[in-house]
Amino acid sequence: KQEVTQIPAALSVPEGENLVLNCSFTDSAIYNLQWFRQDPGKGLTSLLLIQSSQREQTSGRLNASLDKSSGRSTLYIAASQPGDSATYLCAVRHGTGNQFYFGTGTSLTVIP
Amino acid sequence: EAGVAQSPRYKIIEKRQSVAFWCNPISGHATLYWYQQILGQGPKLLIQFQNNGVVDDSQLPKDRFSAERLKGVDSTLKIQPAKLEDSAVYLCASSLPHYEQYFGPGTRLTVT
Repeated sequence: KQEVTQIPAALSVPEGENLVLNCSFTDSAIYNLQWFRQDPGKGLTSLLLIQSSQREQTSGRLNASLDKSSGRSTLYIAASQPGDSATYLCAVRHGTGNQFYFGTGTSLTVIP
Repeated sequence: EAGVAQSPRYKIIEKRQSVAFWCNPISGHATLYWYQQILGQGPKLLIQFQNNGVVDDSQLPKDRFSAERLKGVDSTLKIQPAKLEDSAVYLCASSLPHYEQYFGPGTRLTVT
């Protein structure tokens, strides 16, 4: 069974700092990987989707990378802002079962 | 483009009562997902529909949970009877097959 782990569980950084969030998965037979943001009491907002054949995707200040062979993905946030404060979740779509597996998330606080 | 709609947003019931949640996916999205998110955890897939057929319901507690997607558009998720441990946020998401998932705002259920 696919297991998805996100470390650290919580992170606090000063405004303007660049930061990296980590996601690891146990089964490399994935179809794609998606990063989400979740604000308190809200649903999930899709940030980036990386197909299994891709190495990275970029959107504005966000860059996500994927290393399938090592079972890892990173989300890089440049020049962090207080508005980036939220919980960040990664989810992998398994290649065979078509099921999504979510990590438990990293709670990010950006201090003004 | 309208997003995924869910109702109600909040529901409080007593244990052993029944409850139903409604989801309207993004127009044209054939795939619909129901997730359960317990506080502090990542979402757990309960059931996945492709049009009006069930693709995966392996983690749906079928003795008390049921879901349907008549006509391949709207979907309802029902819990009968509810238990205390069912207190969670119930998220609905939709996607084109194998593409990004888009989430609704969720329904926060409290069972007392």
